Amino acid sequence: AQKVTQAQTEISVVEKEDVTLDCVYETRDTTYYLFWYKQPPSGELVFLIRRNSFDEQNEISGRYSWNFQKSTSSFNFTITASQVVDSAVYFCALSEGLTSGTYKYIFGTGTRLKVLA
Amino acid sequence: NAGVTQTPKFRVLKTGQSMTLLCAQDMNHEYMYWYRQDPGMGLRLIHYSVGEGTTAKGEVPDGYNVSRLKKQNFLLGLESAAPSQTSVYFCASTQGAGNSPLHFGNGTRLTVT
Repeated sequence: AQKVTQAQTEISVVEKEDVTLDCVYETRDTTYYLFWYKQPPSGELVFLIRRNSFDEQNEISGRYSWNFQKSTSSFNFTITASQVVDSAVYFCALSEGLTSGTYKYIFGTGTRLKVLA
Repeated sequence: NAGVTQTPKFRVLKTGQSMTLLCAQDMNHEYMYWYRQDPGMGLRLIHYSVGEGTTAKGEVPDGYNVSRLKKQNFLLGLESAAPSQTSVYFCASTQGAGNSPLHFGNGTRLTVT
C-alpha cells in the first residue's frame, strides 16, 4: 500500500539556520505525484509544490528547495536561512491512482517546525 | 474567488447529537474530499467524491455519511456524534488526474462532549 513517512515529528531551529524536512514514500505506481503543504498556526493548508515521478530535477523557490530522489524514495524539503514566519506544520503527500481511474491523496503525519528568534 | 468554503468554523456537540458540515467550492472541480486532522496522525481521508452523485469511502469512514447532490457542494454528516469524532475537519477539492494539488477549506473544529 502507498505510504508517506515523515519521521521528524518536531524540529526546532534558531532563526537563520538551514533546516531539512524529510519525506519518504512507498508506492507501486510508476507514475505518481508528490506534494508539500504548509499549515501555519492560523490553521489553513497551503500548497507549496508538486513533483511528478518523471522529473527528478531539484527545485528552488527563494529560500525553499526540494530534493526528489527516486532511488531512495525521498522528497525532502529544505528551508535556507529560516525565519520565524516559517514556523508551521509541514505535510508531505502522495497521490495514489486507483483502479477506478480516480486518485486519492495520502498524507504523512507532518513535521512541526519551530523557528526561534 | 472564494475557493473552498467550509461552514461552520466551530461547533460543539453533545454525544449522540447529529450535524452536517458543508463544503462548497466555486472552481468547478470534479473531485472533493473530506479529511480529519488529529494530533500526531496527519490528515486521514474520510470520504471522497469523483463527481456529482458519486461518493466513496476513504480510510476512516465509520460514523460518517456524505452526499454530493450538486457538483459544487460536498456534505459530511455525523448521525450520532461520539467523543472520538472530536477533530478538525478539512474539505478539499481538485481538478483531478492525480497531478493537481488539493485546494483546502479553512477547516471546521468540532468538539464532541
